[in-house]
This record gives sequence, C-alpha cells and structure tokens, in this order.
Amino acid sequence: AQKITQTQPGMFVQEKEAVTLDCTYDTSDQSYGLFWYKQPSSGEMIFLIYQGSYDEQNATEGRYSLNFQKARKSANLVISASQLGDSAMYFCAMRERAGANSKLTFGKGITLSVRP
Amino acid sequence: GAVVSQHPSWVICKSGTSVKIECRSLDFQATTMFWYRQFPKQSLMLMATSNEGSKATYEQGVEKDKFLINHASLTLSTLTVTSAHPEDSSFYICSARDKGGGPYNEQFFGPGTRLTVL
Repeated sequence: AQKITQTQPGMFVQEKEAVTLDCTYDTSDQSYGLFWYKQPSSGEMIFLIYQGSYDEQNATEGRYSLNFQKARKSANLVISASQLGDSAMYFCAMRERAGANSKLTFGKGITLSVRP
Repeated sequence: GAVVSQHPSWVICKSGTSVKIECRSLDFQATTMFWYRQFPKQSLMLMATSNEGSKATYEQGVEKDKFLINHASLTLSTLTVTSAHPEDSSFYICSARDKGGGPYNEQFFGPGTRLTVL
C-alpha cells in the first residue's frame, strides 16, 4: 500500500482564491511527521509546512495551513489568497520513526496552476 | 535558513563516461545526507542514505556499483554515476539533515543537478 497518496491530477485556482491540496497517508506508527514541499519549474524543493503526529493544533505558516485529520489520516494543504507564483508542483511527505536515518516518503505530487 | 548546494547544476556527458555530483551543507553539519532521483512530472525516488564516515545504504533496486556515494565529511557528500548511459538521464537531488536538529526537523534540499547522457 502506498504510504502517501495524492490523487488530484492537477488543480487550477483563480488568483486570490484559496485552494486545498489533498493528501492521505498510511502508517502504523504513533509518532510521525508530515511535510509539504513546493517544487517550482526550477526544480528546487521548498519546505512549506510541518505537522507532527502529536501536535494538537493545525500547523500554519503564513498563507499555508495544514488541515490535519488524524483519525482520517489526512493532511491537506490549504493555500489562501493564491498568487501566480504559487504555480508549481506540490508534494506531501511523511517521516516515520524518529532517528537520523528515518526517511521521507513522498507522494506523487500535485500540479497547481494559478490563473490570473 | 540552512543552505544545501549542489554542483554542477546541470551536466551533459557522453555515454560511458562517469559524472560526479557534489552536495554540500553550507552552514550546518549534516550527519545524514540523502540522494534522490526524479523523472519529469514524477515524484522523488530515494536512491540512498549516506552517513558521514560510513558506507551508504542503498534502496532496493539501486545499483550501488553504478551510483557510488561518498560522505567524506559532515558537510560534503558526492554521487558518482559510473559508466553513464542515456537511461541515467534524470534530475538528481540531494538532501541533508541537520546534526543539531530534532528527529523531525525538515530536510534541507539542494537545488538539484540535471544530468543528460548522450
């Protein structure tokens, strides 16, 4: 079974509107971390937001917020007030089991296009 | 924030030659570095995990004799693609984890190296 599932093939949003990018995950660990990264066409991976499995509050970072529903095992990214520069590929990722060698597992990504 | 550099940013080589890609953590010490491969419009695939001073751990299906990884210091890891072939053409990304960070600190990614093998 896939550990990180991103099923939306591509998303379009009008500039200044909000958009939600879906992510579900699968793990039997109690302690894990969830991440969202943005990858523009230049290829660099830009860290956006992190949510720990024990965090009671949803993470927020500026225009980014993470809608964490632990029972549903979902960690959707919400981008408010979309900007043209938000057009990129977005990856959800999970790290299980703390430790120096614990690995990030990535979803297959979602392409977001912001329309002017 | 923490910075990871990669060199070169792009490289074109002839089939059969070897190519070395460097990954450096510029302002922190990285006990663990990760090497990923990414094909266009696809996800990042972890190739190997390297720890300073020890042998890299390769993911299943990754040929360790073809993709040589050396993590010689706390700030430098290298990936050498030996006897490169056109199917090795891809985007290679390194990532480093801060030695001083907590267990779930985010990994810092390099800008990637685009390899084209003719």
